[in-house]
This record gives sequence, C-alpha cells and structure tokens, in this order.
Amino acid sequence: TQLLEQSPQFLSIQEGENLTVYCNSSSVFSSLQWYRQEPGEGPVLLVTVVTGGEVKKLKRLTFQFGDARKDSSLHITAAQPGDTGLYLCAGPSGSARQLTFGSGTQLTVLP
Amino acid sequence: DAGITQSPRHKVTETGTPVTLRCHQTENHRYMYWYRQDPGHGLRLIHYSYGVKDTDKGEVSDGYSVSRSKTEDFLLTLESATSSQTSVYFCAVSRAGGTQETQYFGPGTRLLVL
Repeated sequence: TQLLEQSPQFLSIQEGENLTVYCNSSSVFSSLQWYRQEPGEGPVLLVTVVTGGEVKKLKRLTFQFGDARKDSSLHITAAQPGDTGLYLCAGPSGSARQLTFGSGTQLTVLP
Repeated sequence: DAGITQSPRHKVTETGTPVTLRCHQTENHRYMYWYRQDPGHGLRLIHYSYGVKDTDKGEVSDGYSVSRSKTEDFLLTLESATSSQTSVYFCAVSRAGGTQETQYFGPGTRLLVL
C-alpha cells in the first residue's frame, strides 16, 4: 500500500503570512493531486501535478512535484481567511481509478 | 459539481441496527466510491464500484457492504452499526479530464452511532 504523509497536521496563521504544506511518500507516484475541503462539504480538486519537478500556480497557491515524484508541496503566499480549510494530497493507487489520500493539513487563517 | 447527492445528510442510530446510505449521481459515471473520514485519517476507501453490479473492497471494508443495481445509485450498508462506525461518509465519482482522472465528491453524510 502506498502511503502519503502530510505535514503539518494543523497550521494556524495570521492573514498575510506565507505557509508551506508538505506531502511525502516512500513510493513513486505517476501523479499527485491536491484537494481542498471546506467545513460541511466534500473535497474539491485544486490541481494535478504529473511531471517530476513540475510547478503549477493557482493565483496565490504554488504546487510543486518533487523531482523523484515521491513528494509534493503546496505554498500559499499572503494567506487570506478564505484559504481556511483542510488540504489533502492524493495519488493513484490500485485499479479502478482509486486514490490514496494523505491525512490532511487543517489550515486556519486568522483575520 | 458532478451532480452527486447523498442521503440522508445526517443520521443518528443505535448500536446493532442496520443503516443504509445512498449516493445518487446524474452524469452516468462508471466509477463510484465510498469513503469514510475521521480526524487524523484523511479519507479511507470503504468500497468501490466499476460498473453495475461490479463492486470491490477497499481499505476499510469490514462491517460494510455495498450494492449497485443501477448506474446512478450506489448504496452503502452498515450491517450492524457499531460506535466505531461513527464518521462522516463521502461518496465520489471518477471523471476523466484531460490526461488525468479527477474524483468529485458528494456533500457527505454525518453518522452518529450511539
């Protein structure tokens, strides 16, 4: 079973600060995805990274896939209260388009 | 939004009773999944389906069964609910987009087993 470990588990910061969230594995993944989940809702896909070393930007969010395709990071610049939520990384696992999810990082951005 | 609804959205039940959760989708997706979400564990796959009447076990399938008699409906049954099955349950579908598949999730069902 391919495992994904996320760190930190909890993060509370002030509005305007920068932060980085990590997703690590001992296994190689063909791709990794990042989802964000808001309270009372299901996760929603933010981005998919496919190529080792790939960097993708989504407004103030920057996603990077490690060169060896075993890890990924999410960097948020000038965090805003609207960024508050649970951030989950996920990678393909097994058949039938299954995904393995990390345990998540709960981010709280205080105004 | 992939047209996924879950029912009920909230349920309180007693230990030992059977419980059935329903997932309904409107876009004819082949692959459907049931997850449970607990603090510190992210999302864990319970069962999945790759077509009508085609289902298989996931990581945490003990105590759960599923059925899919129609493309649009995927049912999760807790045969005899236990307190350890108190959780938030999410249904998802897989939809291809570009070169990668994406999973789209329903709004979840919050289950409390007393």
